Amino acid sequence: AQKITQTQPGMFVQEKEAVTLDCTYDTSDPSYGLFWYKQPSSGEMIFLIYQGSYDQQNATEGRYSLNFQKARKSANLVISASQLGDSAMYFCAMREGHEGRRALTFGSGTRLQVQP
Amino acid sequence: DVKVTQSSRYLVKRTGEKVFLECVQDMDHENMFWYRQDPGLGLRLIYFSYDVKMKEKGDIPEGYSVSREKKERFSLILESASTNQTSMYLCASSLLGSGPNTGELFFGEGSRLTVL
Repeated sequence: AQKITQTQPGMFVQEKEAVTLDCTYDTSDPSYGLFWYKQPSSGEMIFLIYQGSYDQQNATEGRYSLNFQKARKSANLVISASQLGDSAMYFCAMREGHEGRRALTFGSGTRLQVQP
Repeated sequence: DVKVTQSSRYLVKRTGEKVFLECVQDMDHENMFWYRQDPGLGLRLIYFSYDVKMKEKGDIPEGYSVSREKKERFSLILESASTNQTSMYLCASSLLGSGPNTGELFFGEGSRLTVL
């Protein structure tokens, strides 16, 4: 079974509107972490936001917020007030367990295009 | 400015050639990783290492090997390159240990390999 599922291969959004990128995950480990990364056309991977499984509140970082619904095993990324520079691939990823000696498992990504 | 540096951004090799992809990080991170990125498949883990001379197989190790002789350097080796290894290769590093954002990966710029 897929551990990280991103069901939207591509998304369009109008500039200045909000957009939600979906991510569901599958793990039996009670301790885990969820990450979102952005990959512009230049190729570098940019860390956006992190949510720990025991965090009581949804994570926020500027225009990015993570809609964490633990019972549904979803960790959707919300981008408010989209900008042209938000056009990129977005990857959801998960670390299982609480130790740092773990690799991240990534989803297949969502390509977001922001239209003027 | 902390960095993960991959030796080559673009490589073109012939089938059967031995290929070395080098990665160096200056953050004193214990963990280092090699991922492969293909359209529609996201990032898939090839190998990782949490200490010098230690290595663990990821999800797709076949056809690859790795070397970690020094903490800051992690090399990916394709013993006999094949056309199905044409891909983007991403090196990453992370801290060992627990705490906020445990497992956050810091990526290099990627190496795009074409095997003819």
